[in-house]
Amino acid sequence: GAGVSQSPSNKVTEKGKDVELRCDPISGHTALYWYRQSLGQGLEFLIYFQGNSAPDKSGLPSDRFSAERTGGSVSTLTIQRTQQEDSAVYLCASNARDRVYEQYFGPGTRLTVT
Amino acid sequence: KQEVTQIPAALSVPEGENLVLNCSFTDSAIYNLQWFRQDPGKGLTSLLLIQSSQREQTSGRLNASLDKSSGRSTLYIAASQPGDSATYLCAVVGGSYIPTFGRGTSLIVHP
Repeated sequence: GAGVSQSPSNKVTEKGKDVELRCDPISGHTALYWYRQSLGQGLEFLIYFQGNSAPDKSGLPSDRFSAERTGGSVSTLTIQRTQQEDSAVYLCASNARDRVYEQYFGPGTRLTVT
Repeated sequence: KQEVTQIPAALSVPEGENLVLNCSFTDSAIYNLQWFRQDPGKGLTSLLLIQSSQREQTSGRLNASLDKSSGRSTLYIAASQPGDSATYLCAVVGGSYIPTFGRGTSLIVHP
């Protein structure tokens, strides 16, 4: 596709349920990033993939959060046993990992935990 | 650890004014600095990217400068319009390949 896509655009879930958020990066982009943006807050880095491996998982807030990337393309962020404090917009970005490192963002998934 | 600060946090101006948004960073060992715009409820849209070897970039009414040695960048918006109202974020990428973002400047341009 022409840009980074994310699905779903909105997700409402009950506390305690598991959710999966999907990111489709720009074709050919080897680096993929997940961020979280809570209401009125800045961007919080969660995890970074280079190809299918995650050199840096340091931003994942708890062991309820996990992410994987397959085929060097699509990535899924999974949140288990969701809590109300998980409510936020989850943003995905990709770049070509060339010398420019320009970030391209998707539209985000707004997660609401009730 | 890289830290990015944006000043001011919020700005409200009448249409037509020329604006300067500031971004400062603590570690000058960067590959690039990127300015983004974020509209409410939306993702980030890239405005300008300045590589570490460059001093400025221009796109339309926007001009971004980079002074790596002093750890500063400015985004200049000429002849502001109500459609420019948004949050503007800067981010730097260094050796970790993980962008560090500022908290943003929330801009309102009123008619």
